[in-house]
Amino acid sequence: DTEVTQTPKHLVMGMTNKKSLKCEQHMGHRAMYWYKQKAKKPPELMFVYSYEKLSINESVPSRFSPECPNSSLLNLHLHALQPEDSALYLCASSQEPGLAGGLIEQFFGPGTRLTVL
Amino acid sequence: AQKVTQAQTEISVVEKEDVTLDCVYETRDTTYYLFWYKQPPSGELVFLIRRNSFDEQNEISGRYSWNFQKSTSSFNFTITASQVVDSAVYFCALTLNSGGYQKVTFGIGTKLQVIP
Repeated sequence: DTEVTQTPKHLVMGMTNKKSLKCEQHMGHRAMYWYKQKAKKPPELMFVYSYEKLSINESVPSRFSPECPNSSLLNLHLHALQPEDSALYLCASSQEPGLAGGLIEQFFGPGTRLTVL
Repeated sequence: AQKVTQAQTEISVVEKEDVTLDCVYETRDTTYYLFWYKQPPSGELVFLIRRNSFDEQNEISGRYSWNFQKSTSSFNFTITASQVVDSAVYFCALTLNSGGYQKVTFGIGTKLQVIP
């Protein structure tokens, strides 16, 4: 299984809602990532988890709250979002670089298209 | 800080033409990894090719080939005999490994349109 799955595919929420994005992989990868991608822009890193511990938070507003309940799952909890948070949210995973000689790619999920009204 | 520049924002070619996507990168690290990813309209980024900073050997894989030149900090990607299914946004990416994870810097992307 070389797949990263994300649910839901589309999400529309109001500014007062609370919702969660889910990401799952069964490749045994111990690094998982959340990216945000606006239209016609490259993905921007938000968070990195390594061995279920938060390793990087790229100064993301607290209305985004990541969670890694186990090595296969990654969640992104959303609360009180703003319209400018509307974007494609991509999850990715990778092997530990040190174990694979360093030259490893990230595996991306199909993303969740989020619209905040 | 790392930087990846893709000077071509949009390219259009006629099917069966060859097309080269340019990528120039900046980093002070001596160990780094370069990738090309493809993003079709469906949204999922798909890995295409990779190269580490120690290996300047250029390769061909099917219709894909790449030219890595450390002296000019360039990692260009060529699709031979383009097909309509190649229409997508292509991202060049510079990756540094840090402990158990990667830090990726993406270029802005080049949108390729292959016209039948």
